[in-house]
Amino acid sequence: GENVEQHPSTLSVQEGDSAVIKCTYSDSASNYFPWYKQELGKRPQLIIDIRSNVGEKKDQRIAVTLNKTAKHFSLHITETQPEDSAVYFCAAGSLHGLNFGKGTSLLVTP
Amino acid sequence: SAVISQKPSRDICQRGTSLTIQCQVDSQVTMMFWYRQQPGQSLTLIATANQGSEATYESGFVIDKFPISRPNLTFSTLTVSNMSPEDSSIYLCSVEDPGTSSYNEQFFGPGTRLTVL
Repeated sequence: GENVEQHPSTLSVQEGDSAVIKCTYSDSASNYFPWYKQELGKRPQLIIDIRSNVGEKKDQRIAVTLNKTAKHFSLHITETQPEDSAVYFCAAGSLHGLNFGKGTSLLVTP
Repeated sequence: SAVISQKPSRDICQRGTSLTIQCQVDSQVTMMFWYRQQPGQSLTLIATANQGSEATYESGFVIDKFPISRPNLTFSTLTVSNMSPEDSSIYLCSVEDPGTSSYNEQFFGPGTRLTVL
């Protein structure tokens, strides 16, 4: 089955700096790669996703890149703000159902 | 996106008992999923629930332990049977957004926090 690895497990940045979270996956059949943000006690929220026919996607301060050959994808957050502090999960899927990475706890300090 | 609700939001149960969790969506959806998130951990897919067919379970999850119903396109239940403390977790349902032209975008319900004593 699919195995998704996510790094780092924790990340601390200063407000205004950039944050990068990286994931790798094992199943070449995976073709959908979403990123979720989960605040403490809340449900995961979809923040951005990318499909295998696209190499990069951007939405304001958030961008995701995908390298299908290397089977890795990354989340980039620029100009970080304290409200970006949360746990971020990457995931990989094909037809239905998602396999999640273990999560990255991001702390943005003022 | 679809509005998803779950009942109960939390429960404390005795070992050996069973709990049924309900997931309600405000629009018709084809695909519904059930995930488990143990404290401080990631999400693990339990099963995919399609209306009119048997649920499809992931490795490590079996129907006798986690029976699922999907009676219509807006509702599903997950039962956690013969519970033990190891079943203490947050259980989340998710749906694929019917508004998307293709597959995969999933949105989560608020979760059910289960504690088994």
